[in-house]
Amino acid sequence: AQSVTQLDSQVPVFEEAPVELRCNYSSSVSVYLFWYVQYPNQGLQLLLKYLSGSTLVESINGFEAEFNKSQTSFHLRKPSVHISDTAEYFCAVTAMTGTASKLTFGTGTRLQVTL
Amino acid sequence: DTGVSQDPRHKITKRGQNVTFRCDPISEHNRLYWYRQTLGQGPEFLTYFQNEAQLEKSRLLSDRFSAERPKGSFSTLEIQRTEQGDSAMYLCASSWDVWAGELFFGEGSRLTVL
Repeated sequence: AQSVTQLDSQVPVFEEAPVELRCNYSSSVSVYLFWYVQYPNQGLQLLLKYLSGSTLVESINGFEAEFNKSQTSFHLRKPSVHISDTAEYFCAVTAMTGTASKLTFGTGTRLQVTL
Repeated sequence: DTGVSQDPRHKITKRGQNVTFRCDPISEHNRLYWYRQTLGQGPEFLTYFQNEAQLEKSRLLSDRFSAERPKGSFSTLEIQRTEQGDSAMYLCASSWDVWAGELFFGEGSRLTVL
């Protein structure tokens, strides 16, 4: 089984400041990793994913995450946040099997961006 | 396509009553998932369908819970004899057959059991 730990339940940050949301996972098998974002009153949506290849993955709105197998981490970073980035961010993992199906989510980190 | 839709968006019921939620996935998606999310927690996997076949169920899905996807399109999640501990947001998601790592979520159905 897989598990995900998001140590920070809330992260307050000023606009234009950098931010890092931490995610650590546990698994006895190789995994795929994801970050989902939930904006207020909206459904969860995929922000970025690591399936294979380059360990650094990027989203279209400036976020990036790096898969670190030795540290079993997949931290999410953005060099300069905007008010519109205020949302709940969930890290998720699934086993890298032929019938990969369900995601296991962390408890989420609420990013609050203020002026 | 307008995405995954769920109905109702909110349901308030008394303990012991039965409730049913409906999910309409994105039309070309063959996989459909149900998750449950409680306050302060991430979504927890409940069950998953490939077309009309229910391929996996979580231990969280007690005997009071049943999910169906009779024609491989929409799905229903029924909770019988509701308990206060069933209060949660019930999320539906869908995806293509080939696992590309992305689930498309609906906005959820919030259940409050009094």
